[in-house]
Amino acid sequence: LAKTTQPISMDSYEGQEVNITCSHNNIATNDYITWYQQFPSQGPRFIIQGYKTKVTNEVASLFIPADRKSSTLSLPRVSLSDTAVYYCLVGDVPRGSTLGRLYFGRGTQLTVWP
Amino acid sequence: EPEVTQTPSHQVTQMGQEVILRCVPISNHLYFYWYRQILGQKVEFLVSFYNNEISEKSEIFDDQFSVERPDGSNFTLKIRSTKLEDSAMYFCASRGRAARVNSNQPQHFGDGTRLSIL
Repeated sequence: LAKTTQPISMDSYEGQEVNITCSHNNIATNDYITWYQQFPSQGPRFIIQGYKTKVTNEVASLFIPADRKSSTLSLPRVSLSDTAVYYCLVGDVPRGSTLGRLYFGRGTQLTVWP
Repeated sequence: EPEVTQTPSHQVTQMGQEVILRCVPISNHLYFYWYRQILGQKVEFLVSFYNNEISEKSEIFDDQFSVERPDGSNFTLKIRSTKLEDSAMYFCASRGRAARVNSNQPQHFGDGTRLSIL
């Protein structure tokens, strides 16, 4: 399973755009890239998922270069409530008799300051 | 927006007792999962479940653990004889079937049950 590398922590101020980059050099052809957000004492919350190029939804954008060896989660105009741990995961695609599983790393602790 | 719900939010149990953690997955989802997170540590996969069968389980999921889908809506995790090291947050997740070939559906998580073993 592809291993991901992302910064341990990042700081930002309210209203700024935050970009969190994740490296996944060994990503497999069929792997998707998924980002989750987790607040203390809550479950991981799905943010966005992509396979290639750019994906955008109401909360974030995901940029994936052509080689797919990295990805960047972009959070526009963050607020204090965006302070959380952000996880980048790859794989998790059901194949044959397996349903996929998520391998969480330590994630990136994003702290947004006023 | 549909969500995964878990009960209870907090369970306190004496060591050696049995505990059942309950989950109601998103209604049209077919694939179900349990994860746990010990305080300050990573989220760890326990088991995946589909069509009333375990699909995959991790080394954590030993004989003390079992899962069941007793009816059309609930998905449960049972720990038969709890140990102190079972204290953790337990998360249930579910996933829908991919809408088409070469697409994927993400897992959606509940907010967990905090299990405290005394």
